[in-house]
Amino acid sequence: GESVGLHLPTLSVQEGDNSIINCAYSNSASDYFIWYKQESGKGPQFIIDIRSNMDKRQGQRVTVLLNKTVKHLSLQIAATQPGDSAVYFCAENFYGQGGKLIFGQGTELSVKP
Amino acid sequence: EAGVAQSPRYKIIEKRQSVAFWCNPISGHATLYWYQQILGQGPKLLIQFQNNGVVDDSQLPKDRFSAERLKGVDSTLKIQPAKLEDSAVYLCASSFGTGEHQPQHFGDGTRLSIL
Repeated sequence: GESVGLHLPTLSVQEGDNSIINCAYSNSASDYFIWYKQESGKGPQFIIDIRSNMDKRQGQRVTVLLNKTVKHLSLQIAATQPGDSAVYFCAENFYGQGGKLIFGQGTELSVKP
Repeated sequence: EAGVAQSPRYKIIEKRQSVAFWCNPISGHATLYWYQQILGQGPKLLIQFQNNGVVDDSQLPKDRFSAERLKGVDSTLKIQPAKLEDSAVYLCASSFGTGEHQPQHFGDGTRLSIL
């Protein structure tokens, strides 16, 4: 069935290092993906999205990579800062689902000063 | 631009009682969603509205949960009667247009605790 999963439940990095958060999806029909950041007590915050006709998209300090062959996407955060500490979720959608997002369990990113 | 507003932020009730949550989406967003987020998990869609019509309520436990968006703007989600397993954060989100291939913007949620 449909599912979005994360390889690593927790990730600890040093301030200034680059972070890579991974996500696997199982629905080959999924054609739109979003990364969200969720801080404690807050709702998910949109970071970046990518459509299936792209394999890379860059934002401010973030890059999302999509590999449709192995149904995998990743979020790269450059020069990780303490403010990046949060839980990161990937979510998938496919056209015809009316915008319904299917979320994975999340990866907790901890940035050490 | 004001974000998605939700109230209350916290609610504690006993099982079998009823509770209601309110959401005001981002101005101009036609599509509104209610999600349930259990501790340690990702959000799970309960119901999606486009304007004042229901698009998807396949995951809504209709024997106890109800939602409405009468004027196509604000929305309320109700639980009656509540069960222990309903303890969760209830998130409201909105998106532009039909929601297809559009980012959803979330409020900070209502944290519900059932005693």
